Amino acid sequence: QVHLEQSGAEVKRPGSSVKVSCKASGDSFRHEAFSWVRQATGQGLEWMGGIVPTFGTANYAKTFRVRLTISADESTSTAYMELSSLTSEDSAVYYCARGLGQLLVRAALETWGQGTMVTVS
Amino acid sequence: QSVLSQPPSVSGTPGQRVTFSCSGSNSNTGTNHVYWYQQLPGTAPKLLIYKNGQRASGVPDRFSGSKSGTSASLAISGLRPEDEADYYCASWDDVLLGHVFGTGTRVSVL
Repeated sequence: QVHLEQSGAEVKRPGSSVKVSCKASGDSFRHEAFSWVRQATGQGLEWMGGIVPTFGTANYAKTFRVRLTISADESTSTAYMELSSLTSEDSAVYYCARGLGQLLVRAALETWGQGTMVTVS
Repeated sequence: QSVLSQPPSVSGTPGQRVTFSCSGSNSNTGTNHVYWYQQLPGTAPKLLIYKNGQRASGVPDRFSGSKSGTSASLAISGLRPEDEADYYCASWDDVLLGHVFGTGTRVSVL
């Protein structure tokens, strides 16, 4: 069973950037799909984007395309999400999630990290 | 910002069967698989159902999913207190080129 361990909570100033990491266990990192989903307090889930490390390029939701960078480091089995130009509306819990099976960002999100709280204030 | 529509809440008594719906469009639920996630209070979402009706590993058979056209539904039979949670449907959208989620349904066990 793959486990995803995310970095700790962050407090950021408006206009700054935040980078959250997601370290995966297991041996298939480069062929797995990793998505980032956020959830503001009391709100629903919002998909931000995803990446399959072996392909290198990320898919982004239109809402975030300008200020979001998703990357992956195969040497450490870690996926990253960096969001810039933060506003108070970006305060949320950010989850990484691994897709079911391999190679497809569109697959169901089978394994989730514990979440990282980002507060913009 | 949620693309898929769900009823805000449903409730039932222990042992009862509850069902609720998820409505999308041709670019998402009408063409692609529907997934269902359960989110217990204060925890990360958990995959319940994939490919419209396949239960994820370890999910009890009290949970069942189905899809017809652009709508899907999740049924919980033999309702238990531990089923109190928020439930989200999701699908891939071929126009937005991303995952889209439902508005969420809160299940209460009376």
